[in-house]
Amino acid sequence: DQQVKQNSPSLSVQEGRISILNCDYTNSMFDYFLWYKKYPAEGPTFLISISSIKDKNEDGRFTVFLNKSAKHLSLHIVPSQPGDSAVYFCAASEWSGAGSYQLTFGKGTKLSVIP
Amino acid sequence: DTAVSQTPKYLVTQMGNDKSIKCEQNLGHDTMYWYKQDSKKFLKIMFSYNNKELIINETVPNRFSPKSPDKAHLNLHINSLELGDSAVYFCASSRPDSGNTIYFGEGSWLTVV
Repeated sequence: DQQVKQNSPSLSVQEGRISILNCDYTNSMFDYFLWYKKYPAEGPTFLISISSIKDKNEDGRFTVFLNKSAKHLSLHIVPSQPGDSAVYFCAASEWSGAGSYQLTFGKGTKLSVIP
Repeated sequence: DTAVSQTPKYLVTQMGNDKSIKCEQNLGHDTMYWYKQDSKKFLKIMFSYNNKELIINETVPNRFSPKSPDKAHLNLHINSLELGDSAVYFCASSRPDSGNTIYFGEGSWLTVV
């Protein structure tokens, strides 16, 4: 049973426009949400996160919005650049005790930014 | 100066063999993890260690055995490799004040033939 879902496997956006990547989750125990970016043949790279007590976090061109009642979060990239083309993973975190976090990942959305 | 490094990056081996993937982090983190990305592209946690102590052990065949000689290293040993073990294995690390952020290595592509 997928606790974190990214229903769009791919997204194409024109350079300069906004990219919106969506994520839904089912587990109310998640206390932190993160977005990771992954290029082919590389490991996931942390992009931005948001605590469950907030509804928005912004870092430069990247903004994450959290709607707890809908169990939905989204990542906005404005303006989109060709270098943003990658697979974006949504992840949700639970505290596992003794300094350990358990991340549950979505399946990823492949973003293509067209010049 | 790679933060989380794992070797080998690519490994092709025959069924039935035993192999190890090594991981080292120079971030001073207390917690290390192994994640597996399977053919369906899901990233799933396998193990987590905190200060050399096993914290999370998801449903993984006992042919997989993690070993943490010190808090900067977490190696993954796999016995009697099967075709279904073919996947990308990612090592990762974190610390309590990193805001739940987990830092990943570049991945080890394992192909069992």
